[in-house]
Formats: sequence, structure tokens, C-alpha cells
Amino acid sequence: QLQLQESGPGLVKPSETLSLTCTVSGGSISSSSYYWGWIRQPPGKGLEWIGSIYYSGSTYYNPSLKSRVTISVDTSKNQFSLKLSSVTAADTAVYYCARHGWGSSSYGDYYYYMDVWGKGTTVTVSS
Amino acid sequence: QTVVTQEPSLTVSPGGTVTLTCASSTGAVTSGYYPNWFQQKPGQAPRALIYSTSNKHSWTPARFSGSLLGGKAALTLSGVQPEDEAEYYCLLYYGGAQLVFGGGTKLTVL
Repeated sequence: QLQLQESGPGLVKPSETLSLTCTVSGGSISSSSYYWGWIRQPPGKGLEWIGSIYYSGSTYYNPSLKSRVTISVDTSKNQFSLKLSSVTAADTAVYYCARHGWGSSSYGDYYYYMDVWGKGTTVTVSS
Repeated sequence: QTVVTQEPSLTVSPGGTVTLTCASSTGAVTSGYYPNWFQQKPGQAPRALIYSTSNKHSWTPARFSGSLLGGKAALTLSGVQPEDEAEYYCLLYYGGAQLVFGGGTKLTVL
């Protein structure tokens, strides 16, 4: 059973870089079917997709965060990571990692899904 | 900036039926946006319910169904249970691996 687990500092100072890691267990991060993404949720607010990475290293970012975000993958450790630079209080949130990907049916139709999430980790930006 | 809009809140009686919708600021939602739906209860991570408009995950209760309705993606709950009280989010795919979540619908079972 695939599981994702976020880890990293719970407190980051303003203007510094937030760094989180998602460890994948019960499956390989190198599977060609999947993307690995980061999503965040500020207190009392909705979900925001931050960005995703394919096992090959191709990355896709939310345009509103693109200038500050870097997502990388370490296939040897079955992990992928998020770095968000120049953080402010607005970056305070629960950060989730998740798996998403594509498949095809017997009829040749494509389908897209986001199915497995980590439990989330709370990051507070404060001096 | 693309905006995905959901009803902020809905109320349904136990045993009733309710439909939540998901609209895109770019126009009608079609199957090509591959709508996904998630349920989130307080203090928990989101749980996937529906993918690519109407497909259920193996763990999705039969009372949940997805469709396209009037240019929007829709999630219908039939025979609502008290445990269905939660926040529901839709997710749309905009191509180029760009993803946008809706603002969420708080469903109250009363």
C-alpha cells in the first residue's frame, strides 16, 4: 500500500527558504505512470496546488509561485522535495504531498487522477 | 489567473440528495478538464472520491457520483449520511500539467 510522508521544519523565519521532503513507501517513485506533487492549505482556507515533478525530473509549477518554487526528486531515496524561497506569513500553511497521474481505459480513453496524499505537515512562517 | 468556483456552503438532510458543482472562469467544464473530487474532514488530509469526471476509486462509497451538468462538473451525494458532513473540493486540469483547485464547498448534514 503506497504511503507518503512529509517532513521538515515546522517553523521558518520570514525571508528564508522553506524546505520539505516527501518520502514514498510501498512503491517506487520511479514509476513512469506518476507525477509527485505538493499542495498547501493556509489556515481556514482552501487547497492550492504548488507544483509537481515527474520521476524523470520534469517539473510543473503554479504560475503564481513559480519564481519562488523548486521541486526536485531523489530516486535513490524514493523522495521528492520542495523548496520555497523568500517566505512570508502568507506561506504559513499545511503542506501536503500527493501522487497523481494518467491512465488509459480498455476503450483507449485517458483518465487523470490524484489518489494518494500524505497526512500533511504544518509550516509556520514567523520570526 | 484561472479561478475555479464552487458553492461556499450547502445544507442537506440525512437521507437526502445534494449536488455540488465546479465551474471554470475559462468557460464550460468538459471531460477534457478531467475533474477530480475530494472530501476533507477537519484535521485530516483530503481523500480522493472521483476522478476524470465520473470514475470512482475502489474506496468511494456508491452514494457518491460525478458528472457534467450545465457546463460544470458536478458531485452528487444520494442518501446522504451524517458522516458525509465535510468540505468538498474539485480539481481541474488545464493542460501543461497545470492544476487548479476549487475554493471548496462546506457540506452540512442537518
